[in-house]
Amino acid sequence: DAGITQSPRYKITETGRQVTLMCHQTWSHSYMFWYRQDLGHGLRLIYYSAAADITDKGEVPDGYVVSRSKTENFPLTLESATRSQTSVYFCASRSGTSGSLGYEQFFGPGTRLTVL
Amino acid sequence: GQQVMQIPQYQHVQEGEDFTTYCNSSTTLSNIQWYKQRPGGHPVFLIQLVKSGEVKKQKRLTFQFGEAKKNSSLHITATQTTDVGTYFCAGQSKAAGNKLTFGGGTRVLVKP
Repeated sequence: DAGITQSPRYKITETGRQVTLMCHQTWSHSYMFWYRQDLGHGLRLIYYSAAADITDKGEVPDGYVVSRSKTENFPLTLESATRSQTSVYFCASRSGTSGSLGYEQFFGPGTRLTVL
Repeated sequence: GQQVMQIPQYQHVQEGEDFTTYCNSSTTLSNIQWYKQRPGGHPVFLIQLVKSGEVKKQKRLTFQFGEAKKNSSLHITATQTTDVGTYFCAGQSKAAGNKLTFGGGTRVLVKP
């Protein structure tokens, strides 16, 4: 049971390059999320998806693009990476129908991204 | 928008002592969840509180949800080195579109 996986685990890129972080879950959870974690800011929501082909902005969406063509995958793309996007990125998923409350989130192992 | 704040940001605890971390929301919550993140790891769900004034225990950890459902606390008794990590509270409400809003976390360091 793989659960939720992220790739790559570590990535170094340069300013201006496009970077895609992958997230895959095997539970068929309807909801998936992308967070970034920076010292002093906790976990901030970038984008989330309630189901395939349904995505919505979170707290800090600028500079990021997401898609969800399949339930199990939720890639996050940095269209033109900036140094301020250096961070640890966590993908998460949870079960539950649209609008439901109270389901725990399961987090992937994270991707540590450095933008030079 | 909804904001969730945690204090303290850092907690240095002598092994064997107790401590408490607090979580406060700017809006009334439907539920609150607590997560633990070990150093170098990812957040892992600990517990969820739903009812006003609810208290739940997990061994040495006691979680409480305030009467007004705007604050919560985590109390750890007889701290052990295995308690090292960052503890996050995360609030959820219909007003915020059912998204989890995480607090900044309390990073716990244990002195043996």
